[in-house]
Amino acid sequence: GQQVMQIPQYQHVQEGEDFTTYCNSSTTLSNIQWYKQRPGGHPVFLIQLVKSGEVKKQKRLTFQFGEAKKNSSLHITATQTTDVGTYFCAGYNFNKFYFGSGTKLNVKP
Amino acid sequence: DARVTQTPRHKVTEMGQEVTMRCQPILGHNTVFWYRQTMMQGLELLAYFRNRAPLDDSGMPKDRFSAEMPDATLATLKIQPSEPRDSAVYFCASGFSPGELFFGEGSRLTVL
Repeated sequence: GQQVMQIPQYQHVQEGEDFTTYCNSSTTLSNIQWYKQRPGGHPVFLIQLVKSGEVKKQKRLTFQFGEAKKNSSLHITATQTTDVGTYFCAGYNFNKFYFGSGTKLNVKP
Repeated sequence: DARVTQTPRHKVTEMGQEVTMRCQPILGHNTVFWYRQTMMQGLELLAYFRNRAPLDDSGMPKDRFSAEMPDATLATLKIQPSEPRDSAVYFCASGFSPGELFFGEGSRLTVL
């Protein structure tokens, strides 16, 4: 069945360091979305990627969608303590969103 | 501010009791999802509605879970009987699929 794998599971960084989380699907996706969940909160939409090879930026965040539309990455440049939380990718296929297991980011000041 | 509303926010119950969680999706959204979140399983899809019709509930234990959408303003998730392993945070999300999903704040369920 459809699976979306996400690595790493945890990442601890010093404030100012970069961070990357990777998402891989077992099948080609129609689109992929990224969400951020703060501790104790609910997932909040960050961005959607639709096209093969697409790259989008939001300030310090860079999102990529692979050429085969089976993988994606989120890169944060110069992390800040406000970046703490769990980042989820969600691949869309067959009318459903398949969420990755998330990467929990901890940023030490 | 349009938002997805879930009730109750917290529920503590004893094993064997019936639990009903409710969700008011954002007005006009055509899709509603129920997800369960635990430490071990991440976000697990339980059920999915499009235009109020159930499209997929393959992720739901059918012997004890049921999901319905009696009207456009209400989605329900029922567990009967509840078990300790059902303890989790249950999220409802609505949207215009395949666009952005708007999540509610979740219902934290503890089954003793």
